[in-house]
Amino acid sequence: SQTIHQWPATLVQPVGSPLSLECTVEGTSNPNLYWYRQAAGRGLQLLFYSVGIGQISSEVPQNLSASRPQDRQFILSSKKLLLSDSGFYLCAANRGLISMDEQYFGPGTRLTVT
Amino acid sequence: QKEVEQNSGPLSVPEGAIASLNCTYSDRGSQSFFWYRQYSGKSPELIMFIYSNGDKEDGRFTAQLNKASQYVSLLIRDSQPSDSATYLCAVGGYNNNDMRFGAGTRLTVKP
Repeated sequence: SQTIHQWPATLVQPVGSPLSLECTVEGTSNPNLYWYRQAAGRGLQLLFYSVGIGQISSEVPQNLSASRPQDRQFILSSKKLLLSDSGFYLCAANRGLISMDEQYFGPGTRLTVT
Repeated sequence: QKEVEQNSGPLSVPEGAIASLNCTYSDRGSQSFFWYRQYSGKSPELIMFIYSNGDKEDGRFTAQLNKASQYVSLLIRDSQPSDSATYLCAVGGYNNNDMRFGAGTRLTVKP
């Protein structure tokens, strides 16, 4: 079974500061990787997904970016945070070669932009 | 826009009762359906998935799918206070990157 690690667990950052969130996956090769954001009391918004190293697809235009430097590593970044970037950031993964596969989530990073 | 709709609740049931959670979706081409449980402050955890019309049972949980009505539900039998959480419905297409989540229904099970 796969295990997803995320860090940091919580983060408080001022507006205009940079951001780097990291996600790593154990227990599966060639996973599909996903970044979601969940605002308070809201559903999950898909931000980015990746089907392989260096392959990133963006779902919504924003000041965030993602990178996948290794097969099991996914990074979410921003050069300048906005207040609206506050939320619960979740990394998810599923098996890349299996269609309609369920997604499993990491523990999340709670980001507060002040 | 592919929509997944859930009643936000809160849904309150007494301990031992059956909790019924509902979800509708707009994309008729949807192929895969998932229920996740999310405790406050935690990440979602997968409870069940269902791909075919009908019922699928796993312990106290039963997922029901009706593709003609574009409706999926989750029944929780013998509800326990530990079942109190937000339940997220997720609907996907054939491709893994095509999953959409509802906003969730908050369930409270009262002792």
